[in-house]
Amino acid sequence: DTAVSQTPKYLVTQMGNDKSIKCEQNLGHDTMYWYKQDSKKFLKIMFSYNNKELIINETVPNRFSPKSPDKAHLNLHINSLELGDSAVYFCASSHLWDRLNTEAFFGQGTRLTVV
Amino acid sequence: KQEVTQIPAALSVPEGENLVLNCSFTDSAIYNLQWFRQDPGKGLTSLLLIQSSQREQTSGRLNASLDKSSGRSTLYIAASQPGDSATYLCAVRPEGGGADGLTFGKGTHLIIQP
Repeated sequence: DTAVSQTPKYLVTQMGNDKSIKCEQNLGHDTMYWYKQDSKKFLKIMFSYNNKELIINETVPNRFSPKSPDKAHLNLHINSLELGDSAVYFCASSHLWDRLNTEAFFGQGTRLTVV
Repeated sequence: KQEVTQIPAALSVPEGENLVLNCSFTDSAIYNLQWFRQDPGKGLTSLLLIQSSQREQTSGRLNASLDKSSGRSTLYIAASQPGDSATYLCAVRPEGGGADGLTFGKGTHLIIQP
């Protein structure tokens, strides 16, 4: 069973389009995240969601909007895609506070290419 | 602002060698530190998690140590194998909580020569 799964794995789209990436976790975690890995392979946090509430937004353009229908899902919507949005996007999940188990688990990534 | 540095950026060694990957962080107020491996075109696989109160963790041929006060962690890989070839990432979670997510280093690209 995949702990954190995201779809699609690859996404090629034209500039100006709107697209979504879906993420689901079956670990019972209370917090989910979106990370961006740029062309230099550097991973950086974009959003985190705890109990369906956005906690942090690290200066991400408002064209990016996370949506969480429930604790197990966190989808990423991107409007008016730009060339610079091309990257690999990773979904992750963890417990927010748990002395015994705060390990973060990541999905396989979605490689977004904007042409 | 937390910064995580990993040294070396790349490492190539013959099979069978023991090796050490280094990670340093600027703010010692961390909740935990996690080591990951990333294979080309793949996601991140968690290797070891060290809580801030711990000094080391072991899993098979991997041993990770943490010196929180000096802002350093090492990942020791014993008897390296070609299958260990990957990028190894170090990440820290701040003391304030998981809401801030993890801060990652840029990774060490490891190649084990058969």
